[in-house]
Amino acid sequence: DAKTTQPNSMESNEEEPVHLPCNHSTISGTDYIHWYRQLPSQGPEYVIHGLTSNVNNRMASLAIAEDRKSSTLILHRATLRDAAVYYCILRDAGGTSYGKLTFGQGTILTVHP
Amino acid sequence: GAGVSQSPRYKVAKRGQDVALRCDPISGHVSLFWYQQALGQGPEFLTYFQNEAQLDKSGLPSDRFFAERPEGSVSTLKIQRTQQEDSAVYLCASSLGRGSTGELFFGEGSRLTVL
Repeated sequence: DAKTTQPNSMESNEEEPVHLPCNHSTISGTDYIHWYRQLPSQGPEYVIHGLTSNVNNRMASLAIAEDRKSSTLILHRATLRDAAVYYCILRDAGGTSYGKLTFGQGTILTVHP
Repeated sequence: GAGVSQSPRYKVAKRGQDVALRCDPISGHVSLFWYQQALGQGPEFLTYFQNEAQLDKSGLPSDRFFAERPEGSVSTLKIQRTQQEDSAVYLCASSLGRGSTGELFFGEGSRLTVL
């Protein structure tokens, strides 16, 4: 599985934007970039995913570099509820793949009031 | 319920005991995954079912771990002769389709503590 690299931790203040980076220099053409987050004592939850173009949804935005070797998850206005571990995952969408998610260590996001 | 349900939420076992962890996926979801999450680590893949077929069990750490999904719905993860290193949160996830697209929906997990 292609690997991702994320900072161990980041901090933000409430109501400020947060940019969570992810490097994936060995990404293949059939890999989608997925982001999941895990709140304390919860299972992971889906945030957003993309292939080549930037993506927006109600939770966040995903900015993907032109060469696809890096991406950034953007939380436009952090709230205390956004404090979680954020995982950047490459998910193989090739024809025979069933899309197993391979989690790394993730980035621990702390949001200060 | 609307989400993935796991039971029990907490289980304490003495070393050597057998345990069974249950997962009720979202109704109609074809794909079901089990993950193991040690304290402070990301979840690690254990096994994958497509309906009742176990297509990938490459992540099961030993032959003490066994999973089944006999009718393509509820799944059970069984751990025989538990060891202290089996202490972890066991997460179940389901998704609608067979393939690699589509969001995975995770349960809250079953926390196993082996004494």
